[in-house]
This record gives sequence, C-alpha cells and structure tokens, in this order.
Amino acid sequence: AQKVTQAQTEISVVEKEDVTLDCVYETRDTTYYLFWYKQPPSGELVFLIRRNSFDEQNEISGRYSWNFQKSTSSFNFTITASQVVDSAVYFCALSEGAAYNTDKLIFGTGTRLQVFP
Amino acid sequence: DADVTQTPRNRITKTGKRIMLECSQTKGHDRMYWYRQDPGLGLRLIYYSFDVKDINKGEISDGYSVSRQAQAKFSLSLESAIPNQTALYFCATGPGSTDTQYFGPGTRLTVL
Repeated sequence: AQKVTQAQTEISVVEKEDVTLDCVYETRDTTYYLFWYKQPPSGELVFLIRRNSFDEQNEISGRYSWNFQKSTSSFNFTITASQVVDSAVYFCALSEGAAYNTDKLIFGTGTRLQVFP
Repeated sequence: DADVTQTPRNRITKTGKRIMLECSQTKGHDRMYWYRQDPGLGLRLIYYSFDVKDINKGEISDGYSVSRQAQAKFSLSLESAIPNQTALYFCATGPGSTDTQYFGPGTRLTVL
C-alpha cells in the first residue's frame, strides 16, 4: 500500500538550531515522486520541492536541504540555522507514477515545527 | 493576485444545509483537485478533474459533489452538510498527473 509516515508530530527548537524532519514512504512503484509542502500559521500550503525516484542527489536551497535515500525509503528535510519564520506544519507527500494516472497525492500527517527566539 | 483563489475563506453553516465552495485558477492548468484536511490526518483527496469533461472520485467522495464549469473553475458542493464535514478544504491545480500541485489558501468550513 502507498503510505507516507511522518513520525515526528511536533518539534521545538531554539532559533539558529539545525532541525531535520523525517519522512518515510511505502510504495509498490519503481517510478514515483516525492514532495514537501509548508503550511504556515496562516493556513495556506506552500510548495517546497518535488523529487522523482530516479534522482537520488541531495538538494540544497538556501537554508533548506533534502536527503533522499531509496535504500531506506526516506526523504528527509533539514533546515539549517532555523528562524522563527520557519515555524509551520510541514507535510511530506507521495505521488504514484504516471501509469496510474490517478493524480493522487498521499500526504503524511505532518510535523509541526516551532522555532523559539 | 493569487494564482489559485477559493471562496469563501470561512463559512459556518448548519446541519442539512447545502453549501458550495468555489475555486478559480489563473495558472492555465487542466487538472484541478479538492482535498480536505483534518487535524492529525494530513490531506485527503475528495475529487479530481483532468479537464472539463473528466471528473473522478477521490478516496473520500461520499457526501460531496463537484462541478467543473470551465478550465479555470472547479466547485465543491455539500448537498446536506453534516458536522463531520467540518474541516479545512483546499483546492489545487496541476499541469499533469505527477507534476506539482499548487494549492489555494483554503476554506475553513464549520458545520454546526
């Protein structure tokens, strides 16, 4: 079955600490896509990254970085030198390959990150 | 202006009432989606539409219906609202089946 697990329900850190949000997925497919979205207190969902299953290179964007490891079915997200503005709920999501044509995004339950000054 | 807009942003209604949530997009995408978010459950897909003539049920479509009035407009209706439909509802758009989906700001619906 397709599934995304974000075991960390809530994380609290102090500003400038590094923090890693875990995401573990299950899929029957060899072709799939992984996503991270951010939901700040205002409620909207902001797209952060999309990664396909054939690209295992880590990615860095400013203070954000992502570590994709197929061997452990994980797609973890690290924020370096966290800031108060990073406080949000972060969702990891999985999309099946195009062969299924269902468009369904399977979301994890989210990790609430609180960054204190 | 936002690429994906939802109206209303907040709505309180009573059990048994009919309610419509509307979504519009200016991204030019063919595909549109409705999700609901419940605390601790993440987001779940209600309906999705590949184009104006192609509408499909998601995993939790019971109690909901949709209408795709145009490429840019996708409405979600609750024919007879019930309290367990209280949730945050998101509309999303995307260019293709595995492409990024872009979300609207959400509609917070409370059914009393």
